[in-house]
Amino acid sequence: DGGITQSPKYLFRKEGQNVTLSCEQNLNHDAMYWYRQDPGQGLRLIYYSQIVNDFQKGDIAEGYSVSREKKESFPLTVTSAQKNPTAFYLCATQQGFPTDTQYFGPGTRLTVL
Amino acid sequence: QQPVQSPQAVILREGEDAVINCSSSKALYSVHWYRQKHGEAPVFLMILLKGGEQKGHDKISASFNEKKQQSSLYLTASQLSYSGTYFCGTGTLGNQFYFGTGTSLTVIP
Repeated sequence: DGGITQSPKYLFRKEGQNVTLSCEQNLNHDAMYWYRQDPGQGLRLIYYSQIVNDFQKGDIAEGYSVSREKKESFPLTVTSAQKNPTAFYLCATQQGFPTDTQYFGPGTRLTVL
Repeated sequence: QQPVQSPQAVILREGEDAVINCSSSKALYSVHWYRQKHGEAPVFLMILLKGGEQKGHDKISASFNEKKQQSSLYLTASQLSYSGTYFCGTGTLGNQFYFGTGTSLTVIP
């Protein structure tokens, strides 16, 4: 059953805590992306990775960190340095070329209490 | 760099038609259309590649004018299920991918 999984679906954290969002794919896609979406807004790129052990900052990388140790996995850590982390986080994958279609996981809704 | 979509928002009655436009400042290789329902992830609708083709399925179709660096999404005889936010994604000749600003579409009975 091919696809992209993100966990958890809902996540609550206290201010000052780091939290890691999971993104796993079994589509054998090379590239993976993390986006942040605020209510009523568009998609803002946080980080992306086109190959294992390599990743690039997007437009809003401050306060976030990622790793890409395996092709299938691209976890995102929201650190305490992120000033306003409450948002909907979406992971996407892309087969090979930057012009290919991106496919999205179901998303994680993070709320800071 | 981010493609601009127009209109920003549109409200339709069931059965009416709508056109959503996506305009890029960069030369394009591909255009991808997505629909996002409230609280859910965007879902891929269709891709158009360089060559000026037009595609469609059911009552949703799209065109791609590579010379004008524009794409349009056509929704005919709209249904309640068409409600959501539509995004274009653009693959540029410079090998970059950008999502558009989004268009909110609401279909009312």
